[in-house]
Amino acid sequence: NAGVTQTPKFQVLKTGQSMTLQCAQDMNHEYMSWYRQDPGMGLRLIHYSVGAGITDQGEVPNGYNVSRSTTEDFPLRLLSAAPSQTSVYFCASWRGDYGYTFGSGTRLTVV
Amino acid sequence: KQEVTQIPAALSVPEGENLVLNCSFTDSAIYNLQWFRQDPGKGLTSLLLIQSSQREQTSGRLNASLDKSSGRSTLYIAASQPGDSATYLCAGTNFGNEKLTFGTGTRLTIIP
Repeated sequence: NAGVTQTPKFQVLKTGQSMTLQCAQDMNHEYMSWYRQDPGMGLRLIHYSVGAGITDQGEVPNGYNVSRSTTEDFPLRLLSAAPSQTSVYFCASWRGDYGYTFGSGTRLTVV
Repeated sequence: KQEVTQIPAALSVPEGENLVLNCSFTDSAIYNLQWFRQDPGKGLTSLLLIQSSQREQTSGRLNASLDKSSGRSTLYIAASQPGDSATYLCAGTNFGNEKLTFGTGTRLTIIP
């Protein structure tokens, strides 16, 4: 049982480039979410999804796009990378009786 | 809006001591509360989940309690070991809202 898998683990982008952070879970959880973690700011919610075909914005959605075509996958797209998006990104899935399960994270640097 | 605070921000204790980490939240409508551990440069590992109908959970040397009326949760670590050194985060969801609100974290160092 792999849980939540994120790829890549590390990425360096140039300003203006776009990329997709991948997230997959094998626990059949309906709810998935993306967080970013920055020093002094803690973990902040970017986008979340309560099921396939349904997504919504979190606390800091600007510059990011998501879609949810399957229960398993919840990719996060950076449309035009900016240095302010340098961060560690975590994907998570949730079920009420199980709590949250987090992926190992993607460390992104935008230069 | 739910706000979660953890005090102290950092704590150093000698190996073998028992210790308590504190977590306070502003909205008593908190539904589930979860404690996580994060090692430097790593992801979040779930330690304990206290569901809405529960008051405490135990796993090995760890015990977490939840008191909604006072807006507090505590994580008790017995017989601390150097391997317990990490940042500990508490986080909660409110009833009808799956969004997780994180505390500010406590960086724990166990001195051998």
